[in-house]
Amino acid sequence: AQSVTQPDIHITVSEGASLELRCNYSYGATPYLFWYVQSPGQGLQLLLKYFSGDTLVQGIKGFEAEFKRSQSSFNLRKPSVHWSDAAEYFCAVGLYSGGGADGLTFGKGTHLIIQP
Amino acid sequence: DTGVSQDPRHKITKRGQNVTFRCDPISEHNRLYWYRQTLGQGPEFLTYFQNEAQLEKSRLLSDRFSAERPKGSFSTLEIQRTEQGDSAMYLCASSLIVAAETQYFGPGTRLLVL
Repeated sequence: AQSVTQPDIHITVSEGASLELRCNYSYGATPYLFWYVQSPGQGLQLLLKYFSGDTLVQGIKGFEAEFKRSQSSFNLRKPSVHWSDAAEYFCAVGLYSGGGADGLTFGKGTHLIIQP
Repeated sequence: DTGVSQDPRHKITKRGQNVTFRCDPISEHNRLYWYRQTLGQGPEFLTYFQNEAQLEKSRLLSDRFSAERPKGSFSTLEIQRTEQGDSAMYLCASSLIVAAETQYFGPGTRLLVL
């Protein structure tokens, strides 16, 4: 079965500084990879996704992620964080069958704190 | 596009009672998913439907849990004889049946079992 590891439970970053959130997955083949963000009282919002092709994917809100097959990683980055980026970030992997997505497997999340 | 909606947003119940949650997916989305999220954890997959057919159930879905999507539109998740361990956020998501399509999540129903 696939699994997702987000090694950092909490990360604190100063506003304006760069950010990298780590994600490692375990799966026999290349899964489909996602980053979601969850703010208090809000639902999960998709930041970006990777299925194939260019290993550097761009998402919303200035985020990007790089898929590295050799490291089984899909780390999320942002060059300059804003106070509004404070939230919980989840990495997820998915399988597809019958043309549609099966259930996603999520990591435990990384709580991002922004210092002024 | 009104997004995925869930009702109620919050539910407090006593142990042993039955509860039912509703999810309305984005219109024209064929697939509907249920997840459970406990405090400090990521969402865990419970089950999903393609139209009205329930295609997969996680081993997390005990016999006390049942989900339906009778007309291929909204879905209900019922928990019978609730236990304190059922306290969690129950999330619903929907997607199209298209390769590599995104799952869109609702705001969730937070359940507290006393």
